[in-house]
This record gives sequence, structure tokens and C-alpha cells, in this order.
Amino acid sequence: NAGVTQTPKFQVLKTGQSMTLQCAQDMNHEYMSWYRQDPGMGLRLIHYSVGAGITDQGEVPNGYNVSRSTTEDFPLRLLSAAPSQTSVYFCASSSLQRGTYNEQFFGPGTRLTVL
Amino acid sequence: KQEVTQIPAALSVPEGENLVLNCSFTDSAIYNLQWFRQDPGKGLTSLLLIQSSQREQTSGRLNASLDKSSGRSTLYIAASQPGDSATYLCAVTDSGNTPLVFGKGTRLSVIA
Repeated sequence: NAGVTQTPKFQVLKTGQSMTLQCAQDMNHEYMSWYRQDPGMGLRLIHYSVGAGITDQGEVPNGYNVSRSTTEDFPLRLLSAAPSQTSVYFCASSSLQRGTYNEQFFGPGTRLTVL
Repeated sequence: KQEVTQIPAALSVPEGENLVLNCSFTDSAIYNLQWFRQDPGKGLTSLLLIQSSQREQTSGRLNASLDKSSGRSTLYIAASQPGDSATYLCAVTDSGNTPLVFGKGTRLSVIA
């Protein structure tokens, strides 16, 4: 099993550009999520999904879009990048048991810089 | 709203010492609590998951305990080694089934 994979590892964007961060998992997990990690702020939830076709907003969703067309993939789209979106982005997944989250597994992260 | 606090923010100990990392949460009605390790520039590695019905979990030199009623968890590391140096994060899933809420972590340095 590859676990949770993320691409790219690093990305530099100019303000106003758009891009998609990719996340995939091969564990057949229903739940997937995106976090951003910033110094002094910890990990904050952006968006999450409990299955294909189902997404919901987390704590800091503005400026980001998600969709879940398959169980395996959960891409995060930045619509118009801003310097405030400079961060490290982590994707995570877990199985669900009676609607509750089991042990969560994280990808290696994407380090994004917006100039 | 669930809030998770980890104290201290940083800790430095000599090699071989036993140590305890603390995690507290404001809403005691949790489903589970998970401890992670994060090395600089890397992702999060799951260490231990404690279900709300459990009091503790062990993995090698690590032991995590959970006291739901007081809103506290501790991660005990026995015979610390320089390779244990990392940031340790705890996170909870609460009764509202909100996805993981994280503390800001404790940065541990084990000095040889």
C-alpha cells in the first residue's frame, strides 16, 4: 500500500494563479480531508469528505474548492492564489465505523508559496 | 467548540530520561484521541489511537493514557533517545463527529 500520496511536494505560484493539489489514497477509506499548517496556528481543517459526492467545509474553507468523484481521490483547488495561502497542506484519510472516524493517516504534504 | 491544548510548547531532556507530554481538551464527550509525531519538514505519523472506552494504549516505549472525565491525555515516553526528537501532536474527534481537532504540539528535543 502506498497509503496517502500528495503531489506536488513543492509549488510556487504568483498571486492570482490557480492550481490543484492532488491527494490519493489506496486504503479504500471513506473519509478524506485537507488541512493547512502554519507556524503558531497549528493544523486547521479546510474541507473534508465522508464519501464520493459528499463534501463539507472545515474551519478555513475560503479560497479553496474540493470535489470527490471517486473514493480514492480528493483534489484541493486554489481558485485565485493569495499570499495568505502560503502554507504546508496535508491530506488525510481514515475509515469510518458507524459514522465515526477511525485512525487517520496523513500524506507527506505539499509546501506552497504564493508570491 | 472543542479546543485542544498541549503544554509545554517545547521540552528539552537528556537522553535516557522518562518523560510525559500533556494534552487537554475542553469537551470531554469525545469518540477518540490520537497522538501523532511530526519530524521537521515531514508529514504526521500516527503513534497511538485511544478510543473513548479505553484508558490507555501502548506501543513499544510509548504509553498513552486517557481520562475523559477530566479532559486529559498523557503520552509517556520511556528511556528517551535522540531519535525521539520531534513535535508531538494530539488530536480528538468529539461527540459532534467533527473531524480531528488538533493541539499545537509539543516540540521535544532529546539531548545525547
